Amino acid sequence: DAGITQSPRHKVTETGTPVTLRCHQTENHRYMYWYRQDPGHGLRLIHYSYGVKDTDKGEVSDGYSVSRSKTEDFLLTLESATSSQTSVYFCAISEAGAYEQYFGPGTRLTVT
Amino acid sequence: KNEVEQSPQNLTAQEGEFITINCSYSVGISALHWLQQHPGGGIVSLFMLSSGKKKHGRLIATINIQEKHSSLHITASHPRDSAVYICAVRQGAQKLVFGQGTRLTINP
Repeated sequence: DAGITQSPRHKVTETGTPVTLRCHQTENHRYMYWYRQDPGHGLRLIHYSYGVKDTDKGEVSDGYSVSRSKTEDFLLTLESATSSQTSVYFCAISEAGAYEQYFGPGTRLTVT
Repeated sequence: KNEVEQSPQNLTAQEGEFITINCSYSVGISALHWLQQHPGGGIVSLFMLSSGKKKHGRLIATINIQEKHSSLHITASHPRDSAVYICAVRQGAQKLVFGQGTRLTINP
């Protein structure tokens, strides 16, 4: 299994509070991704990174920001959480953009 | 209409049956992925293919680029194959567009 961890694995927070999710990899892969998974939708890309300090938006980026200061860590921040951001969040990595992606275990976030 | 459509959405079968899950897409792609998501939530990549057919154990994936269609087959299905199977198409170098998944249940 690719060395990808996500923290926390579960979180319950209140509307309006900031939340940061962490993805950590030990594979030294260049690309990292954040997805959300919701019932009735497939996985949807929030943001991705193609190198340290290099990030770009995905299809559902509103309300989210990311940072990547080290190859191994990719942070997803909800500046002011809303109930619509209740979801399961997956991090993924790939060696290069067109290669297979390896997924982390997921973080279940509930915003009350 | 979703760019990636999977059928069926749910499938229940008996152990030993031959299983087929279908994926149709409406956009140009550079590759197609099949993923497996177990009840615990973890997602595992099964196949990445851009033409023809790939086989791994009891799993076979095929793609027809002209018809924009792919199938995932499972031979001699087993209860441990119970999972959600997800089709995703790659557009360009970065973007993966995912289907909603097919929930497969194999009864003993």
